[in-house]
Amino acid sequence: KNQVEQSPQSLIILEGKNCTLQCNYTVSPFSNLRWYKQDTGRGPVSLTIMTFSENTKSNGRYTATLDADTKQSSLHITASQLSDSASYICVVSAGTSSSGTYKYIFGTGTRLKVLA
Amino acid sequence: GAVVSQHPSRVICKSGTSVKIECRSLDFQATTMFWYRQFPKQSLMLMATSNEGSKATYEQGVEKDKFLINHASLTLSTLTVTSAHPEDSSFYICSARLTSPSGGDGYTFGSGTRLTVV
Repeated sequence: KNQVEQSPQSLIILEGKNCTLQCNYTVSPFSNLRWYKQDTGRGPVSLTIMTFSENTKSNGRYTATLDADTKQSSLHITASQLSDSASYICVVSAGTSSSGTYKYIFGTGTRLKVLA
Repeated sequence: GAVVSQHPSRVICKSGTSVKIECRSLDFQATTMFWYRQFPKQSLMLMATSNEGSKATYEQGVEKDKFLINHASLTLSTLTVTSAHPEDSSFYICSARLTSPSGGDGYTFGSGTRLTVV
């Protein structure tokens, strides 16, 4: 069964601190993994996308890692800011380009709150 | 990058009326669009998948007669909540599937619509 699990469910940190969010998946065939940031009352915005062969990808203070062997991904936020307070959603795509059919499996998200 | 424009961003309607939400893909063609519903502090729940020129595919438990989806063109999909009731109050988000020249996939989200039925 295709599943995506995220941890922790929620997290509170002080401004300026670093944090790491986890995403474990059991999805086959794996196509790619995306991390999204969703501000309250807004649609999710893509932070990073990683394919099978990519181990790490950065977008400013956000760095995502992917271990395809253990089927784990992490999102590391450096020097957190108040504006980082949001939900972070891991989405794994299952499918192949040959079939042209993809299925998207959502994690339940991690709610991050950054305090001043 | 590819942008999906969704509107209205907020709508308040009276119980029993219908509300239409539009989702447009800008600068790209979206043969497949997805409609999600999100309750407070919960993740997105897929409601239906709309394919241009054909009937939408609804997830189990989603009433197709209540949530009408139309995907008449490659750049526009609409979700109409018919005979809305207070329990339909929620955050509705659309997304469009992107297909890269290399054959990879992904998608981008609209900004969401906050529906409040009073």
